[in-house]
Amino acid sequence: NAGVTQTPKFRILKIGQSMTLQCTQDMNHNYMYWYRQDPGMGLKLIYYSVGAGITDKGEVPNGYNVSRSTTEDFPLRLELAAPSQTSVYFCAASQKRTGYEQYFGPGTRLTVT
Amino acid sequence: GQQVMQIPQYQHVQEGEDFTTYCNSSTTLSNIQWYKQRPGGHPVFLIQLVKSGEVKKQKRLTFQFGEAKKNSSLHITATQTTDVGTYFCAGPKDGNKLVFGAGTILRVKS
Repeated sequence: NAGVTQTPKFRILKIGQSMTLQCTQDMNHNYMYWYRQDPGMGLKLIYYSVGAGITDKGEVPNGYNVSRSTTEDFPLRLELAAPSQTSVYFCAASQKRTGYEQYFGPGTRLTVT
Repeated sequence: GQQVMQIPQYQHVQEGEDFTTYCNSSTTLSNIQWYKQRPGGHPVFLIQLVKSGEVKKQKRLTFQFGEAKKNSSLHITATQTTDVGTYFCAGPKDGNKLVFGAGTILRVKS
């Protein structure tokens, strides 16, 4: 049982490039989330999903897109990367049965130069 | 909008000293969750408190939920180097989402 996995671990992008951050969970949790964490800061919600086929914006969705075609996968797409998107990105999953406690993946450290 | 504030932002303690971080919400919470993030790591769920005035212990960690369900605290007795990291509280928003505090960074001098 791997929990929540994320790839890649690290990535450097040039301004204007695009990429997809992958997130997969094997816990069969309905709810999934994408956060960004800037140095010394808390977690800001980018997008979330309450189940396959349903996604919604969080606090800071601009410059990002998501999809949720299966329960397991919740990829985050960055279009036209900007230096302001340099951050650590965490994916998380939760379920109602356990009070929505969130299980986080190991994170992707992204630098845009 | 809903806000969760944590103090202090940073604390540096001598190994063996106690440590406390406080969490305050702008609204009444149905529950509060605490997470720990080791340096370079990801947040890990520690505990959820649900009842007014609830106190829960995990070894040297004591968690409290205020009577008004608007504040919470995490107290660590006799800190060890393994306690190093950032401690976050988080309150629920719209059911399935969480609003995280900015976190308290704990450093322990051995």
